[in-house]
Amino acid sequence: DAMVIQNPRYQVTQFGKPVTLSCSQTLNHNVMYWYQQKSSQAPKLLFHYYDKDFNNEADTPDNFQSRRPNTSFCFLDIRSPGLGDAAMYLCATSSQTFGDTQYFGPGTRLTVL
Amino acid sequence: GESVGLHLPTLSVQEGDNSIINCAYSNSASDYFIWYKQESGKGPQFIIDIRSNMDKRQGQRVTVLLNKTVKHLSLQIAATQPGDSAVYFCAETDSNYQLIWGAGTKLIIKP
Repeated sequence: DAMVIQNPRYQVTQFGKPVTLSCSQTLNHNVMYWYQQKSSQAPKLLFHYYDKDFNNEADTPDNFQSRRPNTSFCFLDIRSPGLGDAAMYLCATSSQTFGDTQYFGPGTRLTVL
Repeated sequence: GESVGLHLPTLSVQEGDNSIINCAYSNSASDYFIWYKQESGKGPQFIIDIRSNMDKRQGQRVTVLLNKTVKHLSLQIAATQPGDSAVYFCAETDSNYQLIWGAGTKLIIKP
């Protein structure tokens, strides 16, 4: 019973070609997060939504944008992917704030050619 | 492509033995701690958590110990099985409730 769903699981894009990753949740959680994870490293928070309020991390590049059209869905847009953006992108949700347990999706592996 | 990753600390354990994975944290004000398990190619999976008003919490085959005096967190896995092979991350929440991740430990189960 998938609770946090990410599509696609694998995405290949070309250098500079915009790409959108999607996340949906069946938990009805208020908070949705996007993380970037590179090989053998911990996930790095890019931004999060508390309901409709968007919170960007200070060091998240402008190249990364997000949309949350409703409670269930959240999108990560990479406007001009560079080779350094190749990574696993993880979506997570939590009921309230960061203090609550975050539940992760399976991730989308992005390859940039 | 992807940049070269860091070398993860690795723990090798014989199948059936108990595993202990350790984590040090730096913020004495942290009040919530979580262990995640991440299998290859998958997202992190919640294992167990503990609040700072406790020093021990048990789940199914797992125990988390919190020593606030030395700011140390450990995850004990009883009777380790091949399916326990994964990278284990500890995480804490700071005063801003942001999740701060540890470096991760790769657990390898030897048959």
